[in-house]
Amino acid sequence: GAVVSQHPSWVICKSGTSVKIECRSLDFQATTMFWYRQFPKQSLMLMATSNEGSKATYEQGVEKDKFLINHASLTLSTLTVTSAHPEDSSFYICSAPLHPSGYGYTFGSGTRLTVV
Amino acid sequence: QKEVEQDPGPLSVPEGAIVSLNCTYSNSAFQYFMWYRQYSRKGPELLMYTYSSGNKEDGRFTAQVDKSSKYISLFIRDSQPSDSATYLCAMSMNRDDKIIFGKGTRLHILP
Repeated sequence: GAVVSQHPSWVICKSGTSVKIECRSLDFQATTMFWYRQFPKQSLMLMATSNEGSKATYEQGVEKDKFLINHASLTLSTLTVTSAHPEDSSFYICSAPLHPSGYGYTFGSGTRLTVV
Repeated sequence: QKEVEQDPGPLSVPEGAIVSLNCTYSNSAFQYFMWYRQYSRKGPELLMYTYSSGNKEDGRFTAQVDKSSKYISLFIRDSQPSDSATYLCAMSMNRDDKIIFGKGTRLHILP
């Protein structure tokens, strides 16, 4: 079935550095990619929606200059956390709709970011 | 009022019992309803996907949607210890639209 491959699965970085998270769609083209953040014992909160070849749409309260999203091809979307701080430590997950090849959405396996 | 409300649990039931999970929502524009299962530190896995009101069955899982009450349910029959996970309800207005998640219910099936 359609799979989104997300890397890295976990990363530890120092405060002030940047971290890039990649999501690749395998066996299908992802024109849209949703990026979520999940804090412990909390639900997935949508951060932004990226569309191939255009600027991402950010949810209210999400800093677009801090969370840079690039969706340059139909199979790759990236999220870069710039100037990371400890409060950015979270579980980041990408998701792509399966339409027209299927129903629902497929999710990446998530990236656990720890900023020290 | 949050768009999607879901009791976070935890919910503990003995193996073999029927599990009932549910969510309420406030936005009547939601048309697509989903249930996801999430194991610790993993991405969510789609269990059920339904459109509008009605029931849908897949193996031991049954999803129900009552749009008039803005209430959705997931039933798990013959529960197994391997069903222990967090179950998230999710919904969207259009087929490829962003989806809004409930908080998730942590389920423990006791052997």
